[in-house]
Amino acid sequence: QVQLVQSGAEVKEPGASVKVSCKASGYAFTSYYIHWVRQAPGQGLEWMGIINVGAGTTSYAQKFQGRVTMTRDTSTTTLYMELTSLRSDDTAVYYCARDVRPGGVTTFDCWGQGTLVTVSP
Amino acid sequence: QSALTQPRSVSGSPGQSVTISCTGTSSDVGGYDYVSWYQQHPGKAPKLMIYDVSQRPSGVPDRFSGSKSGSTASLTISGLQAEDEADYYCFSYAGSYTLVFGGGTKLTVL
Repeated sequence: QVQLVQSGAEVKEPGASVKVSCKASGYAFTSYYIHWVRQAPGQGLEWMGIINVGAGTTSYAQKFQGRVTMTRDTSTTTLYMELTSLRSDDTAVYYCARDVRPGGVTTFDCWGQGTLVTVSP
Repeated sequence: QSALTQPRSVSGSPGQSVTISCTGTSSDVGGYDYVSWYQQHPGKAPKLMIYDVSQRPSGVPDRFSGSKSGSTASLTISGLQAEDEADYYCFSYAGSYTLVFGGGTKLTVL
């Protein structure tokens, strides 16, 4: 079955970077786009960006432009999301999520379990 | 890329119907038939309830329905049940491979 398994919780200091991984299995890895979404404690969902896993191309939400990089490793079917210059308001659970349709970019139905990133001095 | 506008909270009694609105612009909700709705219970990952404005994934009860008029999308839950109490988020394609969430609505079943 389709599975997205994310890396474990991280604690970082302000100004540092974090790289979250998302191991995919159970489907044609390069056929589906992957989204990254975050949720701060007690707050709503926030779309961060998307990666075309086949081509490696990306599109990021304006808010994160210049601070986020999404990549993939096709040999290990793993996705990565790196966020730099961390601030306290980057404390959140970060999710990877697979789009519903092959080649689709408009919605997702399969989520990773989430990775809590805590930014604290 | 401003967040879509949802009411902060709605409520209804068991058996009743409730509707949650999601207002965007012609650049997102109004421009594409790619509106989705997610349900999130506390401490859980969101679950897709509606996609492409009105399509239900398999396994989602037909009590959940979606629609759109202009730049406002709506999620209607009929025959409200206790387990429907959750946060609901709308989500829309906004062009150029970007997407945007609504701020979320807390549904309380009285």
